[in-house]
Amino acid sequence: DADVTQTPRNRITKTGKRIMLECSQTKGHDRMYWYRQDPGLGLRLIYYSFDVKDINKGEISDGYSVSRQAQAKFSLSLESAIPNQTALYFCATSDRVYTGELFFGEGSRLTVL
Amino acid sequence: QKEVEQNSGPLSVPEGAIASLNCTYSDRGSQSFFWYRQYSGKSPELIMFIYSNGDKEDGRFTAQLNKASQYVSLLIRDSQPSDSATYLCAVNTNAGKSTFGDGTTLTVKP
Repeated sequence: DADVTQTPRNRITKTGKRIMLECSQTKGHDRMYWYRQDPGLGLRLIYYSFDVKDINKGEISDGYSVSRQAQAKFSLSLESAIPNQTALYFCATSDRVYTGELFFGEGSRLTVL
Repeated sequence: QKEVEQNSGPLSVPEGAIASLNCTYSDRGSQSFFWYRQYSGKSPELIMFIYSNGDKEDGRFTAQLNKASQYVSLLIRDSQPSDSATYLCAVNTNAGKSTFGDGTTLTVKP
């Protein structure tokens, strides 16, 4: 089983719908991140959390919200999806000592029609 | 100016050649530097990290860092078709989060 698991892996939805992407990890890491990847644009940080009570906005947080339900779980929500949120979303973790290495989930491909 | 910029691709090299990937960053407070490899449709995976000026070698891969010039590079020696992927440069500051470049797509032709 993957150490960082994202669900769903693929989702097609319509404009205006609420969508939740979930991430769970078994690595025991404190730090969790949500990134978005668009073709040719690398990875952009949406939100990050250094522990259950610490949530921070990244560079592109507008239109998104997150919830850190437990050390191992970090969910990303799109309250009212729009077509330009169509992208590949990655959850990642890193440890407290923070060597800097990110461990990524397999990605969630979201299409908003 | 983007915080992290990578040389525009795609980059194509013949099998056995040296592939050179470059990255510049704007924040002089950046402290650690990473190269991730991403195969098409897959998640990124770390291949090299470097903290200090100079070279760091790991097998066929060499990372080079020059903090004065705000420049980090990745050299892949004896390139193989299996090295064909997108390479992402990432830079970390004390804030504990990674900023990525847009990536450079490398194709190694047999």
